[in-house]
Order: sequence, then C-alpha cells, then structure tokens
Amino acid sequence: GAGVSQSPSNKVTEKGKDVELRCDPISGHTALYWYRQSLGQGLEFLIYFQGNSAPDKSGLPSDRFSAERTGGSVSTLTIQRTQQEDSAVYLCASSFLGQGIYEQYFGPGTRLTVT
Amino acid sequence: KQEVTQIPAALSVPEGENLVLNCSFTDSAIYNLQWFRQDPGKGLTSLLLIQSSQREQTSGRLNASLDKSSGRSTLYIAASQPGDSATYLCAVPNSGTYKYIFGTGTRLKVLA
Repeated sequence: GAGVSQSPSNKVTEKGKDVELRCDPISGHTALYWYRQSLGQGLEFLIYFQGNSAPDKSGLPSDRFSAERTGGSVSTLTIQRTQQEDSAVYLCASSFLGQGIYEQYFGPGTRLTVT
Repeated sequence: KQEVTQIPAALSVPEGENLVLNCSFTDSAIYNLQWFRQDPGKGLTSLLLIQSSQREQTSGRLNASLDKSSGRSTLYIAASQPGDSATYLCAVPNSGTYKYIFGTGTRLKVLA
C-alpha cells in the first residue's frame, strides 16, 4: 500500500518568502508528526496531530511556523517570512494510535533551502 | 523529561562482524521503543518496534532487545554488510503522550 508522501521533495526559496510543505499520511493513521533535521543534526520535533487537533505544538521554533490538518488526513506546514536558518529537511511521519502500539512511518522529506 | 542517548556516536567495522548499538532512556514509562535506519539524504525506515511488554524482536539479521527497568535497548546486527552502512536511531514515546523522543543516532560504516 501507499506510504507517507511529502511534497515538494525539494524547495528553494528566497529569504522572506512564505512556503507550504505538504504531508499525506498513510490512510487511516490518526496521528501525524512533523520533524526538522538540519544538516548533520538529529531530529527536532515540531508538532504532532491527533486527528485534526494538535495537542503538542511545543517544538514550533517561532510564530512564523504554523501547521494544520484537515479531514484527519493531509497536513500542511507553513513557514512565513523564511530565514536562512530555516534551511533543513522537513520530515513527516504518521502512526495509527491503538492497542498500545504507536509505530511511526516516515515520508521521504522535503529539503528546504532558503537563499 | 525523557532523554534518549545513543552510544557510540559513530562506528566503523569490517564486513562480517557482529555488532551492537546501544540506546538508553531516562524515563522507563514508555509504550514501546522503535529502531530506525536513515540513509544519507533520505527519510527514516522503521526496522523494529518493541512493545513495552516485550523483551526482544527479531527481523532477519537484526535483533533488538528492551530492558525497561534499566532504561536500555540494544540493536544487534549479525554478519554486517556494506549495505548496512547508515545512521541508526532509536525513539521512544512517553506514556501519556504520543510525542516521540529520538536519540542522536549511531553512524555505522561497514567496510568491504
């Protein structure tokens, strides 16, 4: 079956522009996660959704970052007024929450470069 | 606050060796522990998930163990191959939350 997909795979943008990154989770997965990975660094948690609500937004670096999820499916991460330090790979994962098993499945990521 | 540590940070071994990667976590109240592999420039691939009630899981040449009480997990790779070269990450969600905490990873290089 289809895995987690993300688009675009690569995005180059000028400093100050807004960008939208999209994540399509595995069908039926109730939880959706966004992470950021800067070059040579570990995974930085940004936000996760349970259904359409976000119980934990603690990882969003600033108010320039926002995310939404609609219909319990697709999610969009928006970065406004991009800065060079926003350059990173943005990874999305989804998980089915049930029976005490919360296995995460990751998408291929979106590589964002801010020039 | 849950913290996850992986040792060693990097490892280089000749092909054919058996090796052990370590993961430790500070809060034992976890639902499960998951091991991932990440190839350069790629997303994460799930290798094994161990539920909190289990002590180990096996998949092919990989075996992962979990000791909740001591806050440790090990990933054993048998008969390593150059294709095993990647970064290996472990992650745990805390009980009461679905937020995953990741270790910083072990960068493995298997030499032909």
